[in-house]
Amino acid sequence: SQTIHQWPATLVQPVGSPLSLECTVEGTSNPNLYWYRQAAGRGLQLLFYSVGIGQISSEVPQNLSASRPQDRQFILSSKKLLLSDSGFYLCAWSGGQGAKYFGPGTRLTVT
Amino acid sequence: EDKVVQSPLSLVVHEGDTVTLNCSYEVTNFRSLLWYKQEKKAPTFLFMLTSSGIEKKSGRLSSILDKKELFSILNITATQTGDSAVYLCAVVGYGGSQGNLIFGKGTKLSVKP
Repeated sequence: SQTIHQWPATLVQPVGSPLSLECTVEGTSNPNLYWYRQAAGRGLQLLFYSVGIGQISSEVPQNLSASRPQDRQFILSSKKLLLSDSGFYLCAWSGGQGAKYFGPGTRLTVT
Repeated sequence: EDKVVQSPLSLVVHEGDTVTLNCSYEVTNFRSLLWYKQEKKAPTFLFMLTSSGIEKKSGRLSSILDKKELFSILNITATQTGDSAVYLCAVVGYGGSQGNLIFGKGTKLSVKP
């Protein structure tokens, strides 16, 4: 069965510091992968999706970036964090009929 | 513009009650509708609905889709305190961002003992 891992689970970072969040998927090959953010009191927002190695599409303009260096690895990065980057970051992979299965998430607090 | 509207936004019930959560949607080229349960962590998948009138059931939870009237309901019978969570509805359309989910804002369910 498929398993999705994210780390770290929680992170507290100062404004202006860099960010790297990692997501890996087991039990499937060539998955479609997604990064979502859930800010406090708001719904889930799609940030990036990837259909394969090196293929990244961005949904919203922001100071975040994503990379997919390996088939089952998806990384979310920032060079300089903003206060507004605080939130719950979720990696997901896509199953049949568009269903999405989420990883455990990383709770980021920017101070 | 694609959108998903859930109601009510919050609900407080007592253990043993039955609840019905609503989800209405507008989406181009509908593909599927999904229900998730979110406690203080990542959303967990409950149901995926693609056809009208076919009930999906898992224990005390059930859901059905009406593609003509563009809505779905999630029923929970004999509620327990462990059912307390935010229930998210999302729809997927063909095309767009490789099957991006459009989420509703969720219904926060609180079950009192």
